[in-house]
Amino acid sequence: EAQVTQNPRYLITVTGKKLTVTCSQNMNHEYMSWYRQDPGLGLRQIYYSMNVEVTDKGDVPEGYKVSRKEKRNFPLILESPSPNQTSLYFCASSLSGLVGFYEQYFGPGTRLTVT
Amino acid sequence: GQQVMQIPQYQHVQEGEDFTTYCNSSTTLSNIQWYKQRPGGHPVFLIQLVKSGEVKKQKRLTFQFGEAKKNSSLHITATQTTDVGTYFCAGFGTQGGSEKLVFGKGTKLTVNP
Repeated sequence: EAQVTQNPRYLITVTGKKLTVTCSQNMNHEYMSWYRQDPGLGLRQIYYSMNVEVTDKGDVPEGYKVSRKEKRNFPLILESPSPNQTSLYFCASSLSGLVGFYEQYFGPGTRLTVT
Repeated sequence: GQQVMQIPQYQHVQEGEDFTTYCNSSTTLSNIQWYKQRPGGHPVFLIQLVKSGEVKKQKRLTFQFGEAKKNSSLHITATQTTDVGTYFCAGFGTQGGSEKLVFGKGTKLTVNP
């Protein structure tokens, strides 16, 4: 089954404790992206990757890191989480870097709480 | 920079009533996509519009792309409880020399049975 998986689905952590949210897709998609969703703010892009070893900042990259060593994986790293990073996070993938011309497939989401 | 405004933010209807959400861009778009997110779920792609003035239908859903390619709408005829969720538009256009997909903030639809 074609899908985007994220782990963990739920995470409660404390300020400053490094964490990684994994994202994997099995569709051989070139483009992958991370979004955060907050009430009233919609979906805001954190980072995206057009292909392996190619990553770029989205609209809200501060406090996050990403890597794309393999085509299928695109982990999101929070080196020193802070309470304002409490949010619902979605990973998404798309067939091509021409992202606007291909639908994005979203993962199930990771609800992160930083205390 | 490119902005995509979506209205209304919330809409509550009685089952059987119609519903429309509107999307307006500050710049001309190459195309626009629509997504639906059920409560507790993730966004799911509905459709993409590319051509000026394009109209597409999916059963009770009608999608339109404006002639100037700066606005779009999603209309649902005779809403059902299964239509509940948040509807997002995502406009694709050029911003600062690069192409970006920008999401609207969504319209949350609730349906009273």
